[in-house]
Amino acid sequence: DTAVSQTPKYLVTQMGNDKSIKCEQNLGHDTMYWYKQDSKKFLKIMFSYNNKELIINETVPNRFSPKSPDKAHLNLHINSLELGDSAVYFCASSQEGGYYEQYFGPGTRLTVT
Amino acid sequence: AQTVTQSQPEMSVQEAETVTLSCTYDTSESDYYLFWYKQPPSRQMILVIRQEAYKQQNATENRFSVNFQKAAKSFSLKISDSQLGDAAMYFCAYFNFGNEKLTFGTGTRLTIIP
Repeated sequence: DTAVSQTPKYLVTQMGNDKSIKCEQNLGHDTMYWYKQDSKKFLKIMFSYNNKELIINETVPNRFSPKSPDKAHLNLHINSLELGDSAVYFCASSQEGGYYEQYFGPGTRLTVT
Repeated sequence: AQTVTQSQPEMSVQEAETVTLSCTYDTSESDYYLFWYKQPPSRQMILVIRQEAYKQQNATENRFSVNFQKAAKSFSLKISDSQLGDAAMYFCAYFNFGNEKLTFGTGTRLTIIP
């Protein structure tokens, strides 16, 4: 069974479109995260949720909006996509407190043309 | 702000040999956690090893061990008996209790030479 799953794994879209990436974890974790990995492989936190409550909200454009319908799901919606949004987006989860191991999903490679 | 520096963008090692990847970090905190994550070509991020700052004993996981030097703010990863499957990007990461963020270094690409 996949611990942290993301859909889709690949997403190609045009500038200006709106898209969503879904994430689900079956580990029973309370905390979930979104990370962005750029073309140079640099990985940076975007958001974190603990039991559906927003904990970390990094300085990302407000075109990015996370949604947590329940503690097993954390979706990422992106409005008005720009070329610079092209990256790999990772979802992760951990027991409450990020000092525990974070389990990462397989990543979603977003390409904006 | 905390920063994590990996000064070796690329490293290579002969199969069965030992290699050490470097990591330094900057913090004014006394309590934190440090991690090494591995990202193989499959893109999956996998935890290799974790170190609690309050523990003086260096963490070990099978062929992987760390050299944690708190005063020097250094956290290197040693891989013994390197195997082809160890080929990956390795990321050092720092967890800060204050802002609950995991901050990653820029990564070291490790190549294993058969």
